[in-house]
Amino acid sequence: GQNIDQPTEMTATEGAIVQINCTYQTSGFNGLFWYQQHAGEAPTFLSYNVLDGLEEKGRFSSFLSRSKGYSYLLLKELQMKDSASYLCAVRDSNYQLIWGAGTKLIIKP
Amino acid sequence: SQTIHQWPATLVQPVGSPLSLECTVEGTSNPNLYWYRQAAGRGLQLLFYSVGIGQISSEVPQNLSASRPQDRQFILSSKKLLLSDSGFYLCAWSSEMEFGKLFFGSGTQLSVL
Repeated sequence: GQNIDQPTEMTATEGAIVQINCTYQTSGFNGLFWYQQHAGEAPTFLSYNVLDGLEEKGRFSSFLSRSKGYSYLLLKELQMKDSASYLCAVRDSNYQLIWGAGTKLIIKP
Repeated sequence: SQTIHQWPATLVQPVGSPLSLECTVEGTSNPNLYWYRQAAGRGLQLLFYSVGIGQISSEVPQNLSASRPQDRQFILSSKKLLLSDSGFYLCAWSSEMEFGKLFFGSGTQLSVL
């Protein structure tokens, strides 16, 4: 079966750095996506990785290791507005998105 | 620029009543369109997707149906709602070439009582 695992909840302090991990087992791989979802709102696209390595976009970076079936989202200089759920999704060999259940990130002052 | 509209934002319906949720996309042509459902604290469940007018693929057998009467219009329907249909419904679009990079509507919170 296809499976994506990410921690249910994480807590971090304002101004700090947090890493949210995602491991996957899917039928083929055609890219990994990270989305941010604030409570009661729709998800918004954050990043896309299809090759191994780190993609940096401002305070957010996303890393991929295809051989390990592993990705992480790194958030630096945390702000209160970063409190949200972060969803990992993998595009499989049929170009369908397989979604993780999301990681709820709580930022404390 | 592209925009996606979804309505209504909130809906409370009795069991057995019909449902119609509508979604329209502006600023792009021939988008891929999707209906997702998200139960509280759960991941996104793909319900339907469409790559063109009249072309609907169903991912989960249930009492819901979808239609795409126009290129940029996607409708989610039910003839008789069940309690288990409660959830957060999201419409999304992607370009033909970028499957996976989805742009979501604002969502409909459906409560079936």
